[in-house]
Amino acid sequence: DAGVIQSPRHEVTEMGQEVTLRCKPISGHNSLFWYRQTMMRGLELLIYFNNNVPIDDSGMPEDRFSAKMPNASFSTLKIQPSEPRDSAVYFCASSPDVGGTTDTQYFGPGTRLTVL
Amino acid sequence: AQTVTQSQPEMSVQEAETVTLSCTYDTSESDYYLFWYKQPPSRQMILVIRQEAYKQQNATENRFSVNFQKAAKSFSLKISDSQLGDAAMYFCAYSSPNNDMRFGAGTRLTVKP
Repeated sequence: DAGVIQSPRHEVTEMGQEVTLRCKPISGHNSLFWYRQTMMRGLELLIYFNNNVPIDDSGMPEDRFSAKMPNASFSTLKIQPSEPRDSAVYFCASSPDVGGTTDTQYFGPGTRLTVL
Repeated sequence: AQTVTQSQPEMSVQEAETVTLSCTYDTSESDYYLFWYKQPPSRQMILVIRQEAYKQQNATENRFSVNFQKAAKSFSLKISDSQLGDAAMYFCAYSSPNNDMRFGAGTRLTVKP
């Protein structure tokens, strides 16, 4: 299995531009998580989906952030417009979510976003 | 290939007892950082403890301590006097010198009253 796939691995953009991060979860996994990692705030959960439905988006920092999961094999995290304080590493993780309980999560390699 | 391995998907401990969660990692670097994160049912990640590889002394935070074995590339978490609130998923993480971070798949800890 290729594991969780994220693209791009690195993104450099200018303030005000739209940024789209992509994630392909492990096939068969029912839950998908988006995290943000910064030196100041550590690892934060932004949103998670179960069976393609957003369950909890309370971690999404503001309206500039949006996430979608149109099907079981793909999710996007979009920032529009981007700001320098959005610079961080964004991780996607998927979980088999057996029995609907918190289960092991498999993290992708992350996307390192730099907003100039 | 998985850089960080947590070989225990689930662990259970009696309240007030001690439990150790295992983590091994693979790296060719000599300087790096290791972390343990806790994810309670709320799903927000909480940093439990952090270890710098160049420090030989094991990190300690109240009831949480680590056993860092650099040569063996092992980084286990010991929770003493376990409390019901310790029940959560625990993730081990490795960060390279250039902040390239990798996570284990997690260990679900159950605390029995």
